[in-house]
Amino acid sequence: SQTIHQWPATLVQPVGSPLSLECTVEGTSNPNLYWYRQAAGRGLQLLFYSVGIGQISSEVPQNLSASRPQDRQFILSSKKLLLSDSGFYLCAWSISGNTEAFFGQGTRLTVV
Amino acid sequence: GNSVTQMEGPVTLSEEAFLTINCTYTATGYPSLFWYVQYPGEGLQLLLKATKADDKGSNKGFEATYRKETTSFHLEKGSVQVSDSAVYFCALSDGVQFYFGTGTSLTVIP
Repeated sequence: SQTIHQWPATLVQPVGSPLSLECTVEGTSNPNLYWYRQAAGRGLQLLFYSVGIGQISSEVPQNLSASRPQDRQFILSSKKLLLSDSGFYLCAWSISGNTEAFFGQGTRLTVV
Repeated sequence: GNSVTQMEGPVTLSEEAFLTINCTYTATGYPSLFWYVQYPGEGLQLLLKATKADDKGSNKGFEATYRKETTSFHLEKGSVQVSDSAVYFCALSDGVQFYFGTGTSLTVIP
């Protein structure tokens, strides 16, 4: 069966520090991968999605970047965090063709 | 473009009350429609889905019918429980991207 792992679960980082959040999927090949951010009490904002290795689409220009070094690995990064980067980050995967998306457990990032 | 409009919350109901959360969508083509549920501090879990017009998705007493003529996918449950307290998201997929509503917070009180 397919599983998605996202880590760390919580993270407190100072302003100006770098960020690396990792997401891996098991049990499937060539998934579509997504990074979302959820601000407190708000909906989901799509940050990046990828339909294949090295293919990254950015939905919102910001202080973040994403990479997909392997088929089932998706990394969210920042060189210098801002206070406004605080939020709940969710990784998800799906298979093209109108199937559902499956979400990780999320990372609670607090920038202080 | 594709978008989802979801009923604003929060919604507070007494246990065993009837629940409706409205969802309408705008889409090109023939999207799939979903309801997701999020419990505090967790990721989203798929609650139910419908992949074509007139399909009814159902799970755990929740139901939603894909209405192409009204571009709607309203979530209903006949008798809510305290354990149903969560945030509910309506979503559509065009096969690659997923478009989410803003979420509706539901609190069920005993």
